[in-house]
Amino acid sequence: DIVMTQSPDSLAVSLGERATIQCKSSQSVLYSSNNKNYLAWYQQKPGQPPKLLIYWASTRESGVPDRFSGSGSGTDFTLTISTLQAEDVAVYYCQQYCNTPFTFGPGTKVDIK
Amino acid sequence: EVQLVQSGAEVKKPGESLKISCKGSGYSFISYWIGWVRQMPGKGLEWMGIIYAGDSDTRYSPSFQGQVTISADRSISTTYLEWSSLKASDTAMYFCARCLIPGTADAFDIWGQGTLVTVSS
Repeated sequence: DIVMTQSPDSLAVSLGERATIQCKSSQSVLYSSNNKNYLAWYQQKPGQPPKLLIYWASTRESGVPDRFSGSGSGTDFTLTISTLQAEDVAVYYCQQYCNTPFTFGPGTKVDIK
Repeated sequence: EVQLVQSGAEVKKPGESLKISCKGSGYSFISYWIGWVRQMPGKGLEWMGIIYAGDSDTRYSPSFQGQVTISADRSISTTYLEWSSLKASDTAMYFCARCLIPGTADAFDIWGQGTLVTVSS
């Protein structure tokens, strides 16, 4: 199985400031035949199902605010929230969908400082 | 509206069987892979497996292979997650979710509301 790790476990950021979450995979999730990274990011708020934010490592899902962006390639990825809003308080998960099982990272909790 | 609607919360005893459901609507059910994700209390997301509704091709996580059965009934646009003998450690929220691209097993874009399964003697 591909093991996903995330850092930090949690972070607190002031409103309007930048939040950055790292995700690392134990092997590359870049598929050479199409040059796509099989990496997604999700947001989960308490009592709700997860919500897809980013897929192909950097493609924003329809309706997701542009303050959310994804970057990275191969084994190292980043989710950035450029200006944190109160409604962004949540747990964020990365997931690889390169090889089954499509493993998730352990999650990063984002709070307001 | 594209949606997945899951069956209601369940309270069961260890050793009992259970089958929970996930009904899709608003899209071509047979064209997409549907997956199941476990979330134990206060914990993260665990990918359990996926099924292609078109032909019931199924892939399991090794962690869940042999522990659960994923199935689908195309005639009623419903997928199922089933246990033959529940354990207390199966207590969790279970989500179904649809894969993003038709015919492709990939990220989950549409999620059900979750089914809480509680196993207690």
